[in-house]
This record gives sequence, C-alpha cells and structure tokens, in this order.
Amino acid sequence: DADVTQTPRNRITKTGKRIMLECSQTKGHDRMYWYRQDPGLGLRLIYYSFDVKDINKGEISDGYSVSRQAQAKFSLSLESAIPNQTALYFCATRSGGPTGELFFGEGSRLTVL
Amino acid sequence: DAKTTQPNSMESNEEEPVHLPCNHSTISGTDYIHWYRQLPSQGPEYVIHGLTSNVNNRMASLAIAEDRKSSTLILHRATLRDAAVYYCILNSGGSNYKLTFGKGTLLTVNP
Repeated sequence: DADVTQTPRNRITKTGKRIMLECSQTKGHDRMYWYRQDPGLGLRLIYYSFDVKDINKGEISDGYSVSRQAQAKFSLSLESAIPNQTALYFCATRSGGPTGELFFGEGSRLTVL
Repeated sequence: DAKTTQPNSMESNEEEPVHLPCNHSTISGTDYIHWYRQLPSQGPEYVIHGLTSNVNNRMASLAIAEDRKSSTLILHRATLRDAAVYYCILNSGGSNYKLTFGKGTLLTVNP
C-alpha cells in the first residue's frame, strides 16, 4: 500500500458544487500538507497541519477549507468550486524536525467546468 | 521564510554529469537544504538533504557552498529517467515552518 493515498484521483465537477479531496497516510507522521500545482507555477501550499488541533493557512488558502479528522487523515474541501480551481492537488506528510522528508501522494486531478 | 532561486530549465545529454544550482542567499543557520524531484505524472519525491557538509546518496550528491548561500545537486550520470522538475527548498524544522516550493528547474535529458 502507498504511504500517502489520495481520493479521488480524478474528478470532474461543475461550478458551484462542493468537492472534498481526501488524504490518508500510513507513515504515522504528525505533519500533513495540501499543495496545488498549476502548469508552470510549481507547487503552492494551500494548508498545513502539525497535529489534529493545529491547522494553518498556506500561500493560497482562499476558497479552500480543510479538516484534520485524525492523525492519519487530512481532507481538503472546495465549498463552491470555480473554474480557476482546476488543478492538480497533492497531499504530503512528513515527520517533524529539519531533516524529515516529505512523502507525497500521487495527486488528485480536479476539473471544474 | 527564506527563499530559493533556481534556473527555469536545464538540458543535459545522457550519461553526462548534471549540476543543478540553487541560490538561497537568505538562508539561516538552522535551515537544512532539501532537494526533491517530480517525474512526469507523479508526485514529488525526496532526493537528498544537507546542512553544511557535502552529502552523497544513491540518487545524487549535494554540494553546499562554504557560506551556505548556494548549493548544487549533482547527478553523476544522467539517464532519461532523470528527466524531471527538480526543487530546492529550505527546512528549518521550526514549529511554524511552511515548506514552500518554487517553480523548480525542468531538466531535459537528451539521448
């Protein structure tokens, strides 16, 4: 099984719909992240969480919300999807400290029509 | 958060060494330098990290300047499978550190 699992892997939806992207990890790490990737823009941080009770906004949190249901689960929600949220979304986890490496999921491709 | 600067793209030939540069002039004393790469249609994967001394692993080598304001990821013999976007990021491990990525360097490997 993959260390970080994202569902769904692909989703097409319409403007105004609510969408949830789910992420679960088996590494036992406290820290979890959601990133967005657009062509030519690299990875941009949406939200990050250091434990179940600690959630923080990243670079581009507007239009998104998150929920840390358990240490292993971190969900990203788009309350009312819009076309410019069409992107590839990655979840990641890592251990604490400056040497902890990030483990990424395979990505969730979201298309908003 | 300290930022990194990388060239947008680089090109190499197969079986030749590749040196991927990264500038981080505002690095602090507690920042570790991490490198990740993203193969086509995949999530990023860890490559290597270091603090002050040069580091080697099975994937690559990391050369860190004495003043730590720059570093270079070295692929000793590039293969077609090394074609990817390479990201250099800084990680202090502090309680509020965000781990932000830039645009990275797109490496093209020619056969």
